[in-house]
This record gives sequence, structure tokens and C-alpha cells, in this order.
Amino acid sequence: DAMVIQNPRYQVTQFGKPVTLSCSQTLNHNVMYWYQQKSSQAPKLLFHYYDKDFNNEADTPDNFQSRRPNTSFCFLDIRSPGLGDAAMYLCATSSNRGVLTGEQFFGPGTRLTVL
Amino acid sequence: DAKTTQPPSMDCAEGRAANLPCNHSTISGNEYVYWYRQIHSQGPQYIIHGLKNNETNEMASLIITEDRKSSTLILPHATLRDTAVYYCIALQGANNLFFGTGTRLTVIP
Repeated sequence: DAMVIQNPRYQVTQFGKPVTLSCSQTLNHNVMYWYQQKSSQAPKLLFHYYDKDFNNEADTPDNFQSRRPNTSFCFLDIRSPGLGDAAMYLCATSSNRGVLTGEQFFGPGTRLTVL
Repeated sequence: DAKTTQPPSMDCAEGRAANLPCNHSTISGNEYVYWYRQIHSQGPQYIIHGLKNNETNEMASLIITEDRKSSTLILPHATLRDTAVYYCIALQGANNLFFGTGTRLTVIP
């Protein structure tokens, strides 16, 4: 089945130690998104790629970076994780049509713990 | 983008219709209303969207008032698997879905 895959599902890192979360998709969608969802809060968009064009949200901290080497993969790099970065990180994709209809397909998320 | 207001929680008996309201009184003419839901420990799932006409798909129906200031998501026969947080989002263009606080729907056996 076509889907959005996030690995790992659970990630533990130490304060200040760089960490990379990965997302892959078999939907061949143009657009890929990264969201941060803290406990008991709604998902918040960090940035998205429209093909190779990177779009950063204005309030996304510089500590968060992203790479999209090809259509299928997208990575979230947290350069120096702080305790406040502990959250669920959600990857989503959208087709060109989905950008118009609002339909995004979400992965299961990676829960990041910072010790 | 228009702000949306939803009740924080609702209960619904299994098998009955669940009617989830959303207020978006500042919505502009070209802003769509989207509904997503998030089941515990899963990513959000798209349900339905609309502009001004009522919409129906295999998951739900969306009723938008004539003045577009509010809408209702209807799950016609709620099941236990419909227990989730339901988000109503109003915006132009779908590249920035702003998830508000949502409504936590609990379907009771």
C-alpha cells in the first residue's frame, strides 16, 4: 500500500546531541511537510518542500533544518536538541491536487525524547 | 486565515450520529473549511473539506451554513474507532494547515 513511513517510531537523544529523523513516501507526492506536536497540543507546521523548493515557517527555530535529497525522502535535523524539543514529529505529504483540496497524508510520527 | 472555535470535548453513543460544530465567523470568501481527525498515537487523517456547499463522502458529511460562519461535521453512525480529536481548519490554500485545539470526541459503547 502507498504510504508515508517514519523511522524510527521512537528516538531518544541527549541534550545538545544532533539527531536526524527520517520520512519516506511511496505516494510520489510533490509536497512533503514536517510538523511538531507537543504533548496535548495540536500539530504545528515547521516547514515544507514543494518539490525541491524549501519553505520555512517564520517562527521555526534555526535549530531545525531539513533536507530532501529526492522525491521519496525527507529528513528533519535537530542540530542541538533542548528539553523543549521533546515532541512527536509528524511527516506529511500532498500531491499537487492535494495542495488545492487540503488533503495531506500523515505518517505515524516519531516520538523524540531528550534526556 | 480565519480562526476556528470548537468545543473541547463531546460524547456520542455508539451507533448514533456525532455532530461536531465549528465556528469560523471571520472566514473570508475564498477560504475553505477542512476537517481532520487524530486518533491517539497516530498522525492526523484528512476527513473532508468544503467551500460553501454541503459535502459528503464515505467518512462524513459537512454542513456549512449559508453565511459560512459555522459548519458541522456529521459522522452518521459513530463507532468506537471514531474516538479521536477532530480539528476544524479554515484557510486559503492547504500548504499551511493550522490545527487549533480541536474537539475530543469520545464514542461510548
